[in-house]
Amino acid sequence: QKEVEQNSGPLSVPEGAIASLNCTYSDRGSQSFFWYRQYSGKSPELIMFIYSNGDKEDGRFTAQLNKASQYVSLLIRDSQPSDSATYLCAVNNGGGSQGNLIFGKGTKLSVKP
Amino acid sequence: DAGVIQSPRHEVTEMGQEVTLRCKPISGHNSLFWYRQTMMRGLELLIYFNNNVPIDDSGMPEDRFSAKMPNASFSTLKIQPSEPRDSAVYFCASSFQGANYGYTFGSGTRLTVV
Repeated sequence: QKEVEQNSGPLSVPEGAIASLNCTYSDRGSQSFFWYRQYSGKSPELIMFIYSNGDKEDGRFTAQLNKASQYVSLLIRDSQPSDSATYLCAVNNGGGSQGNLIFGKGTKLSVKP
Repeated sequence: DAGVIQSPRHEVTEMGQEVTLRCKPISGHNSLFWYRQTMMRGLELLIYFNNNVPIDDSGMPEDRFSAKMPNASFSTLKIQPSEPRDSAVYFCASSFQGANYGYTFGSGTRLTVV
């Protein structure tokens, strides 16, 4: 059974701080990694994806991937109250047109003003 | 682009009734996914289609659940008969070519079976 594990939180950070969200996955063959944000009562929204080891930056968000350790993280710099949401890590299961995503249960982030 | 459209947004039904959830994927997307989300189990994949063909339905909990995709622009998820443990938010998502680039989710259907 392929698994994606996340700390459920809640993770509480003050406004302006860096929020660090972590995810581990069980399938060493996974190639694609995604972070989704889900506000309460809303649907998941794709915010970042990463395929290669190392860091990928997009605005205040940085995704980090370490395939050897089977570890993905998301850093949110200068956290804002509007970043308060549940962050879901997802990993591909199978490749090409036949693939799908396995999701972790999410980490709830709370940014305090 | 209207995004992935799901209907209804909310459904309350009595145990034993048939429930049909509907989804219209984004035009041009050829992969469609049905997920169920609960607090306890998170997002679980129920079934997905590629080019209207079911690829993997191993996540469908039991024979009471069925899904169809008669054409590229429409899919249904049916529960018959419904049970209280089916209460959850059901999401439809679509993508171009599987999971390579992530998916776009619909707004979901919140199902309550009483």
